[in-house]
Amino acid sequence: NAGVTQTPKFRVLKTGQSMTLLCAQDMNHEYMYWYRQDPGMGLRLIHYSVGEGTTAKGEVPDGYNVSRLKKQNFLLGLESAAPSQTSVYFCASSEQSGSMTLAKNIQYFGAGTRLSVL
Amino acid sequence: DAKTTQPPSMDCAEGRAANLPCNHSTISGNEYVYWYRQIHSQGPQYIIHGLKNNETNEMASLIITEDRKSSTLILPHATLRDTAVYYCIVLRKGAQKLVFGQGTRLTINP
Repeated sequence: NAGVTQTPKFRVLKTGQSMTLLCAQDMNHEYMYWYRQDPGMGLRLIHYSVGEGTTAKGEVPDGYNVSRLKKQNFLLGLESAAPSQTSVYFCASSEQSGSMTLAKNIQYFGAGTRLSVL
Repeated sequence: DAKTTQPPSMDCAEGRAANLPCNHSTISGNEYVYWYRQIHSQGPQYIIHGLKNNETNEMASLIITEDRKSSTLILPHATLRDTAVYYCIVLRKGAQKLVFGQGTRLTINP
């Protein structure tokens, strides 16, 4: 059981280049998330998805786009990379709460993608 | 969602219990307390969560005060592998977006 897999693990881009980060989960989870983590900081939510074909903005969405064409995949795109987007990117997934009487948000995280934009 | 306050760093001897405090004085009745940790260079890992009763699982125990304004995560027999940043997060029932603060950097010393 692989859980949440992120590719690539490392990437170096030049300013203005584009790239797509791929997140894949094999747990049949409804919800998926993209976070970024800057040095010495906590994680900040970029975008998230509550199901196939849906996406929503998080705390820091500017400069990023996402797509959830398949339930198991969540893609994060950088159309024109900037040095300010140098960060570690984490993907996560969680199952939908089965009952409104039970709050359950256990998110499972990938190993991260380390991105440097020069 | 309520904000949380945690000490920036703590030390604990290997084999001893590590007690990590979290203050969430503005927590409301439908908000849960979650704990995650992040070992260096890895993605965060869920530890435990609770509403008002104390909780225990194979990783840790969670003690929530009666007024729910603070909680303590207890690692009963800390090992070197427990060295990590520990995040206390308050989350409204049904909400999905975790908000990570600075957390507590726990160092387990041999």
